[in-house]
Amino acid sequence: EDKVVQSPLSLVVHEGDTVTLNCSYEVTNFRSLLWYKQEKKAPTFLFMLTSSGIEKKSGRLSSILDKKELSSILNITATQTGDSAIYLCAVAAITQGGSEKLVFGKGTKLTVNP
Amino acid sequence: DTGVSQDPRHKITKRGQNVTFRCDPISEHNRLYWYRQTLGQGPEFLTYFQNEAQLEKSRLLSDRFSAERPKGSFSTLEIQRTEQGDSAMYLCASSLGGWNEQFFGPGTRLTVL
Repeated sequence: EDKVVQSPLSLVVHEGDTVTLNCSYEVTNFRSLLWYKQEKKAPTFLFMLTSSGIEKKSGRLSSILDKKELSSILNITATQTGDSAIYLCAVAAITQGGSEKLVFGKGTKLTVNP
Repeated sequence: DTGVSQDPRHKITKRGQNVTFRCDPISEHNRLYWYRQTLGQGPEFLTYFQNEAQLEKSRLLSDRFSAERPKGSFSTLEIQRTEQGDSAMYLCASSLGGWNEQFFGPGTRLTVL
């Protein structure tokens, strides 16, 4: 069965710290890996990583895909209290029926204290 | 607001009742997805549509659940004979084409008493 595992499940840091969130996956027919940020409402898109784009960066956030190790990391530098959220990792895969699906991990709850 | 919208935002119902949720995707998006999210879990895929065709249904979608997207625009998710285990946040998302980023709506929080 396809699965996505994130670690740690929760993390508490102080403003200014750098954090690394981990995501590993076991899926058949991998297509892409996506990171989302979820505050109190719906997930908002951060990055999509594919075989042709294994590293992305946006401001203080960056992400790398390691297809050999079947994993990805999300780095946040100089954290701010506004970074407090649940960070979700999701993998797009092809089902046995030939359709597509998105499998999410449980998320990492990040708390940034002032 | 041109994002994904869902209605209602909250629904409280008694066990055994039927409920229906609506999702309006971003207008040019041809793909629409439904997910369920419970506390401490990531969203779990339920089903998705490409235009009006329902292309995939998760095993989570029991025969009490039905989803439609009759004109390829908005979609409805109906749960019949609700059970307490149906209590969750139901999220809708849309995307343009294949596995591009999915834009999520604010969700409908269902509480079954």
